[in-house]
Amino acid sequence: GQSLEQPSEVTAVEGAIVQINCTYQTSGFYGLSWYQQHDGGAPTFLSYNGLDGLEETGRFSSFLSRSDSYGYLLLQELQMKDSASYFCAVSRDDKIIFGKGTRLHILP
Amino acid sequence: NAGVMQNPRHLVRRRGQEARLRCSPMKGHSHVYWYRQLPEEGLKFMVYLQKENIIDESGMPKERFSAEFPKEGPSILRIQQVVRGDSAAYFCASSPSGGATNEKLFFGSGTQLSVL
Repeated sequence: GQSLEQPSEVTAVEGAIVQINCTYQTSGFYGLSWYQQHDGGAPTFLSYNGLDGLEETGRFSSFLSRSDSYGYLLLQELQMKDSASYFCAVSRDDKIIFGKGTRLHILP
Repeated sequence: NAGVMQNPRHLVRRRGQEARLRCSPMKGHSHVYWYRQLPEEGLKFMVYLQKENIIDESGMPKERFSAEFPKEGPSILRIQQVVRGDSAAYFCASSPSGGATNEKLFFGSGTQLSVL
């Protein structure tokens, strides 16, 4: 089978940094990706890690350790518009499976 | 370049009716995924299709649910004899490649199905 674990909720302050962790168990693993979804909206792609290490895209960075079956999404200089749900997803050879999502609350 | 188009945006059905959800992938994309989402929950994989082929339907209930992606036209997710428990948001996503080489999904705006 497969499983992805991520915290259900995280709260941070505007301007701060927050890290959302994701651990996974799956066969046929190829990569880990992250998606953002605002309430009532569609998921949108943020980043993908196929190899170990850090990928940086503006204020967002994502990390993968294949040996630890672990990754994280790092959001810097938080803005109110970053309030949303964040999903990690594993790419397998047959499909893409999503975690249950982490709801990020940002306090002014 | 239009994104992934799903219609209808909202669909209301009475118990026992059929629901038909449509998804037109982005131009040049031949891989389509359907996901179901309940409020405050994650995206649950249902089915992965390529043109004229079902690659993986392990997330789709064996009864009442079917999906297709014909050579011409949109992908269709069909739910027969709907029940209240089918009420959810159904998202379609497309990609230019699939499986191991797939790095990024492009999602449609979803269809919110409400069963009365």
